[in-house]
Order: sequence, then C-alpha cells, then structure tokens
Amino acid sequence: GEDVEQSLFLSVREGDSSVINCTYTDSSSTYLYWYKQEPGAGLQLLTYIFSNMDMKQDQRLTVLLNKKDKHLSLRIADTQTGDSAIYFCAERTYTGGFKTIFGAGTRLFVKA
Amino acid sequence: SAVISQKPSRDICQRGTSLTIQCQVDSQVTMMFWYRQQPGQSLTLIATANQGSEATYESGFVIDKFPISRPNLTFSTLTVSNMSPEDSSIYLCSVLREGLDTEAFFGQGTRLTVV
Repeated sequence: GEDVEQSLFLSVREGDSSVINCTYTDSSSTYLYWYKQEPGAGLQLLTYIFSNMDMKQDQRLTVLLNKKDKHLSLRIADTQTGDSAIYFCAERTYTGGFKTIFGAGTRLFVKA
Repeated sequence: SAVISQKPSRDICQRGTSLTIQCQVDSQVTMMFWYRQQPGQSLTLIATANQGSEATYESGFVIDKFPISRPNLTFSTLTVSNMSPEDSSIYLCSVLREGLDTEAFFGQGTRLTVV
C-alpha cells in the first residue's frame, strides 16, 4: 500500500539551512507536496514537484526528488524563527483511488 | 485559490451524540475529501465525497460511523456518529479544483473534543 515516512524532529540555528527528508513507496505518484502547519492553524501548501522533475526552487525553498530511491527533500535556506512549524510531505497517488497521502510530519525547531 | 469554509470551527460534545461538520467552497470543485488529524498525528484520509453517490471510504472508516453527503459541487458534510473520546480530533475538508488539480486546498478544520 501507499506509505510516506519522515523524521519527526529537526532542530537548527537561525540562519542555517534546514533539510527535511521524506520517503514514499508508491511509484505511481504524480505530484509530491510539502505542506506547513503552524500551531493552531490549517495546512498551507508550500511547494510541490511533479514526478518527472528532479528539482524545483522557489525563493528560499528547494525541493529535490530522487524518483529511483523514492526520496523527497525540502531545503529551507536561511532558516528563520518564523519557519518553526510542522512540515508534512504528501504524495498524490492513484493506487486504490485518487487521493493524497500524508507523512507523519517533521517538527522544525529554529533556535535564535 | 479556493476558499473553504468549515463549520463549526470547534465543538465540545457529549459521548454518544453526533456532530455534523459542513464544508462550503466558493467555487465548483471536482473532488472533496475529508481527513482526520488526531492530536500530535498526521492527516489520515477518511473518505472521498462523491457528488450524487455514496462516498468512498478508506480502510478503517465506515459509513455508519462517518456518513458523508455531497449534494453539489461546492458543499459537503461529514457526520461523526455515536461519538466517543477517541473521536476527539481535528477534521479537515480538502478540495481539488476543476482542471487545476496540482494543488489541494484545505479548510481551517473543525476541532472536536468529546467528553
């Protein structure tokens, strides 16, 4: 079945780069997403990458996709305290029906 | 972007009762989904709400416990029936728009506490 895994915690210093990693199992995934959830707030789509791309850059965010290893990463350059949140990796899959599967979320702590 | 309004935003309910959560979108959308996010957990897909037909439920979720309606392309409801404290969660509505299926939009969620 479909599964998305990510590490649960990451701590970085303000100004450093953060790299959040994710692995997925469904090779039929078309889109892969990174969502951000701040305390008490809803989900905010940060960025997404289509499965035939290797990399996507959007300002401070860089997404790398290794389709062979089914590995996705999100790099946040010059991490700020406002980046402290939970980051969810998600895949769009058609296996067993059209749906989006989420990882457990990585809680990013940014130390001043 | 699609604007999604969920009601209620939060509620505290007695065990054994039922709560219906509404999801209203400001434009027609092709697909609507209901997710549950238990405390400290990720999002789990409950079901896909299908317009004019029965919802498609994921493993572990059944219609008797989570009846869903979708009478048109902009509105859906999720009912949490015969509630127990284990149903305390955030319930989120999500949509995919017609012809623009790269991004899934989420409502702000309904925070349910069952006592």
